[in-house]
Amino acid sequence: GAVVSQHPSRVICKSGTSVKIECRSLDFQATTMFWYRQFPKQSLMLMATSNEGSKATYEQGVEKDKFLINHASLTLSTLTVTSAHPEDSSFYICSARTSGRSETQYFGPGTRLLVL
Amino acid sequence: EDKVVQSPLSLVVHEGDTVTLNCSYEVTNFRSLLWYKQEKKAPTFLFMLTSSGIEKKSGRLSSILDKKELFSILNITATQTGDSAVYLCAVGNHNDYKLSFGAGTTVTVRA
Repeated sequence: GAVVSQHPSRVICKSGTSVKIECRSLDFQATTMFWYRQFPKQSLMLMATSNEGSKATYEQGVEKDKFLINHASLTLSTLTVTSAHPEDSSFYICSARTSGRSETQYFGPGTRLLVL
Repeated sequence: EDKVVQSPLSLVVHEGDTVTLNCSYEVTNFRSLLWYKQEKKAPTFLFMLTSSGIEKKSGRLSSILDKKELFSILNITATQTGDSAVYLCAVGNHNDYKLSFGAGTTVTVRA
């Protein structure tokens, strides 16, 4: 149980374009989803927390207009990187938490973004 | 701000060796400590620890938490090449459901 999928797994785009990444909980309802980015040989850095039906909460230093998050249902959250630039190239990972008091997060397989 | 420090940063062992990974933390209103294993892709969940002194075990992996001294260890016995990965420690607090991650320990197991 507790499977999270992410799509696409890898994307290459031109500078200035927007990229949408989907995160789905396949076998459970995710009250909360989290978006992280990870640079090579570094740990996960939380970008934002997404609750179903409400606006995402962004961490300090993360531009909400650049990284648009939508959590339209209990099984789907999307991250759109708008007007992507080479410095946005990174590994983006989502995670999902089930409802209730558990804080265990289950991670998706990640999306590797390369902006040329 | 919550702080999670893992040590060592990396280690190389031979198959059959035992490894011990350390995670110390400073967190306001501690709730739990979690261990994850990350290979090429995203992290996979290993353990969640909330109480001191109770060992959690899964096959050759085990972990224990010391809430007085604010640390946890993850042990891997009889290591195999498939254990090669980055092991991440994360802590959660009672304020929200966010996790703060350490930098990870890279374990390389040589045949």
